[in-house]
Amino acid sequence: AQKVTQAQTEISVVEKEDVTLDCVYETRDTTYYLFWYKQPPSGELVFLIRRNSFDEQNEISGRYSWNFQKSTSSFNFTITASQVVDSAVYFCALRLMDTGRRALTFGSGTRLQVQP
Amino acid sequence: DTEVTQTPKHLVMGMTNKKSLKCEQHMGHRAMYWYKQKAKKPPELMFVYSYEKLSINESVPSRFSPECPNSSLLNLHLHALQPEDSALYLCASSQTAYNEQFFGPGTRLTVL
Repeated sequence: AQKVTQAQTEISVVEKEDVTLDCVYETRDTTYYLFWYKQPPSGELVFLIRRNSFDEQNEISGRYSWNFQKSTSSFNFTITASQVVDSAVYFCALRLMDTGRRALTFGSGTRLQVQP
Repeated sequence: DTEVTQTPKHLVMGMTNKKSLKCEQHMGHRAMYWYKQKAKKPPELMFVYSYEKLSINESVPSRFSPECPNSSLLNLHLHALQPEDSALYLCASSQTAYNEQFFGPGTRLTVL
């Protein structure tokens, strides 16, 4: 079975600080996708990024960056120069590429509070 | 149009009521999903429709009945719910079942 662990339940930072959200996953499959979603207080889950297991290149999008390391089964997310609008719950998720098992396995989420 | 819409935003119902949740997308996506999310927990998958056919039912009680009338619409019919069914119900869609899912804002359901 698959498992995604987000060990940080809650993180509080002051605006402009950098913050890294950790994600560790477990799967016996060799082909899978990893995702990050943001859930602001309004409730909607906002898609941030998808990586597949073949591609370990790190990615940067504005203030967001992701570090995928298969050797440690980790897919960490860093926000540079955090802003109050970044306050939300962030979920890491895994989905297998196997056609019969398409469900997303979510981590328990990390609540990020950015103080002004 | 790049969004998933859900109605109503809030719903309060009694245990004997029958109600429906509605989800709509106009992105041409062929996979649609229902999730249930309890407070401070991650979303849990309930159903997956792929090309308007039910492909996954995660052992959801029969008091929840999904329906996919066409490729843009997904309904969730509710009947004889229990107070523990109170939660945020999220709809999502993806281009196919292999692509990233885009979520709607959810319906916050309270069962009295």
